[in-house]
Amino acid sequence: DAMVIQNPRYQVTQFGKPVTLSCSQTLNHNVMYWYQQKSSQAPKLLFHYYDKDFNNEADTPDNFQSRRPNTSFCFLDIRSPGLGDAAMYLCATSRDTGQGNSPLHFGNGTRLTVT
Amino acid sequence: AQTVTQSQPEMSVQEAETVTLSCTYDTSESDYYLFWYKQPPSRQMILVIRQEAYKQQNATENRFSVNFQKAAKSFSLKISDSQLGDAAMYFCAYRVYSGGGADGLTFGKGTHLIIQP
Repeated sequence: DAMVIQNPRYQVTQFGKPVTLSCSQTLNHNVMYWYQQKSSQAPKLLFHYYDKDFNNEADTPDNFQSRRPNTSFCFLDIRSPGLGDAAMYLCATSRDTGQGNSPLHFGNGTRLTVT
Repeated sequence: AQTVTQSQPEMSVQEAETVTLSCTYDTSESDYYLFWYKQPPSRQMILVIRQEAYKQQNATENRFSVNFQKAAKSFSLKISDSQLGDAAMYFCAYRVYSGGGADGLTFGKGTHLIIQP
């Protein structure tokens, strides 16, 4: 089945130690998103790629970066994780059909713990 | 900035009964899209139903239907004949489509739905 796959499912990192989360898709969608979801809060969009074009949300900290080497893969890099960055990170994809009703397809998420 | 508000952090319903989850949003746009997503425990978020703002007819997907009130900026989800598998976190989401890309969704905080057997 076509899907969005996030690895690892759980990630533990140390305060200040760089960490990379990965996302892959077999849907061949042209748009990939990264969301941060903290407990009891709404998922928050960090950035998205439209093909190779990177679109950063205005309030996303510089500590968060992303790479998309090809259509299938997208990475979230946290350069110096702080305790406040502990959260579930969701990757999602969609196909831009020229209509805004295209749904997002989500992965299972990576739960990041910062010690 | 657009905001989405789900005023019910948690709802409980008896199996086979009907439950309605509330959602309101704030926007100055006239053309936008609304979604309900379901996130079961430890599983991925999946689309339940969607509504285009320019359509007056309320969307329906089997046991799931919406009550879309554009003037009131309200978009509630009704689940009929509730089943144990409906237990999940439900998120209301909004998107304004700029036409030049694929804008992300703005989510509410979610409503935790409990199904009582």
